[in-house]
Amino acid sequence: DAGITQSPRHKVTETGTPVTLRCHQTENHRYMYWYRQDPGHGLRLIHYSYGVKDTDKGEVSDGYSVSRSKTEDFLLTLESATSSQTSVYFCAISESTSGKSYEQYFGPGTRLTVT
Amino acid sequence: DQQVKQNSPSLSVQEGRISILNCDYTNSMFDYFLWYKKYPAEGPTFLISISSIKDKNEDGRFTVFLNKSAKHLSLHIVPSQPGDSAVYFCAASYTGTASKLTFGTGTRLQVTL
Repeated sequence: DAGITQSPRHKVTETGTPVTLRCHQTENHRYMYWYRQDPGHGLRLIHYSYGVKDTDKGEVSDGYSVSRSKTEDFLLTLESATSSQTSVYFCAISESTSGKSYEQYFGPGTRLTVT
Repeated sequence: DQQVKQNSPSLSVQEGRISILNCDYTNSMFDYFLWYKKYPAEGPTFLISISSIKDKNEDGRFTVFLNKSAKHLSLHIVPSQPGDSAVYFCAASYTGTASKLTFGTGTRLQVTL
């Protein structure tokens, strides 16, 4: 199994509070991604990173920001949590080598509830 | 607009039989397709993939077929086992997108005894 951990694994927070989710990898992979999973929507990309300090938006980036100051860590921040951000969040990583770079490996997920 | 579609939310198959999961896509730029398997309370795990230059890829009990003209791919599991019961996601990507994946909504497979 790829060395990916997410913290916290579960969190309940109130509307309007800031929340930061952490993804940590031990694989030294270049690419890192944040997805959310919701019923009827599959997994949707929030933000991704293609290197330290290099990030870009995904399909559902509104209300989220990210940072990557080290290869191994990718942080997802909800600046002011809303109930619509209640979801399961997954981090993923992939190598940059051709032929393998499309295959992403996922962390165990963080279940976030915004009340 | 859902670019990757899995129109069957669920599928039930008897143990030992073939399971066929289907996926359709609309973006003709997609050139790499993947299947992921997900158990409850776990992250998705990579199962098998196929490049658009191929029409079939096989790995043990799992085979993925790609029909580019129909923009359709399918995952065959033969023989199906109870441990295959999970949600299966189809995903697609294309060159130059930093390996970003677009996922379908998933199909829940139940393999019965």
